[in-house]
Amino acid sequence: DADVTQTPRNRITKTGKRIMLECSQTKGHDRMYWYRQDPGLGLRLIYYSFDVKDINKGEISDGYSVSRQAQAKFSLSLESAIPNQTALYFCATSDFGQGAVDTQYFGPGTRLTVL
Amino acid sequence: AQTVTQSQPEMSVQEAETVTLSCTYDTSESDYYLFWYKQPPSRQMILVIRQEAYKQQNATENRFSVNFQKAAKSFSLKISDSQLGDAAMYFCAYLSINAGNMLTFGGGTRLMVKP
Repeated sequence: DADVTQTPRNRITKTGKRIMLECSQTKGHDRMYWYRQDPGLGLRLIYYSFDVKDINKGEISDGYSVSRQAQAKFSLSLESAIPNQTALYFCATSDFGQGAVDTQYFGPGTRLTVL
Repeated sequence: AQTVTQSQPEMSVQEAETVTLSCTYDTSESDYYLFWYKQPPSRQMILVIRQEAYKQQNATENRFSVNFQKAAKSFSLKISDSQLGDAAMYFCAYLSINAGNMLTFGGGTRLMVKP
């Protein structure tokens, strides 16, 4: 089974709709992240969480919100979707343990299209 | 803020040959991590190799190796004995320890492998 899963894998929605993307991990990592990838570009950080009570805005948080329901679950919400939020969304986890490199491991991505 | 630049939008290599992908970054930090991620058509982000800035020795992972030049702020990826399965987008990424362990990605290089 995959260590980091995302649901749904693909979603088409309409402008103004509320959308939730979910991420679950079995790696036991404390840190979780949401990224967005636009065509031909690298990933940009939306939100990140270092534990259940710690949530931080990333580079492009406007129009998004998150919820860390448990160590293993981190959800991204678009309260009122707009077409320029059409993108590929990635969840990632990392474990900055003592002496470890803080390497992020990514889920398979969710392709979101807002019409 | 850190920036990561990949100056080669596309590269091609003959199967079994060697190719080098370039990456430069801008930072005022002395301690950080650098990564190369591969994104095949399946869109999964796959860790290829990582480098700690405090280590002078270049990282290697099987056919993949890096040339890390800290003073020049350069972090190139060399792929030896290229295989058809190496065809993908390759992203260079910088991890700032001082900025919440956020990853900053370059724009990517598309690698094509010719049989």
